[in-house]
Amino acid sequence: DTAVSQTPKYLVTQMGNDKSIKCEQNLGHDTMYWYKQDSKKFLKIMFSYNNKELIINETVPNRFSPKSPDKAHLNLHINSLELGDSAVYFCASSRSDRGGTGELFFGEGSRLTVL
Amino acid sequence: DAKTTQPPSMDCAEGRAANLPCNHSTISGNEYVYWYRQIHSQGPQYIIHGLKNNETNEMASLIITEDRKSSTLILPHATLRDTAVYYCIVRVNFGNEKLTFGTGTRLTIIP
Repeated sequence: DTAVSQTPKYLVTQMGNDKSIKCEQNLGHDTMYWYKQDSKKFLKIMFSYNNKELIINETVPNRFSPKSPDKAHLNLHINSLELGDSAVYFCASSRSDRGGTGELFFGEGSRLTVL
Repeated sequence: DAKTTQPPSMDCAEGRAANLPCNHSTISGNEYVYWYRQIHSQGPQYIIHGLKNNETNEMASLIITEDRKSSTLILPHATLRDTAVYYCIVRVNFGNEKLTFGTGTRLTIIP
């Protein structure tokens, strides 16, 4: 069973469109994250949610709107896509309590290409 | 989170031990050392973490100096599948603290 799953794996779209990437984890974790990896391979955190509440927002443009319907899901919606949004987006999850190891579990990534 | 410094790239012969260094001279007392790796086009994968004692698991060993200002990740018998970018990260091990990735070390295993 896939622990952290993202859909779609590949997404090609035109500038100006709106698109969503979905993420689900079946690990029972209470914290989920979105990371962006650009063409230079830098991995940067975008958002973090704990029990459906936003706790980290790393100066991401407001065209990006994460939504967490429950603690097992964290979806990423992007409005008015721009060329610079082309990247691989990784979802991750972890436990936030002291009983955990602090390990983050990552999905396989969603490659977004904006034309 | 404390910053880390790693060499940008390393080569290692297949079957030999790969030793990846990391400097973290500003690490705080409650921060752990974590190692992750990213195999081409895949999501980052946790390898190991430690506070001050050396740690070993089925993937690797982690050696942390007594002053905790540096550490070494050891892959005891490197295989071609260990070719990846290896990230050394320091952070507390609980709560909602973000995992901040640096540029890592690109390890290439040579046949």
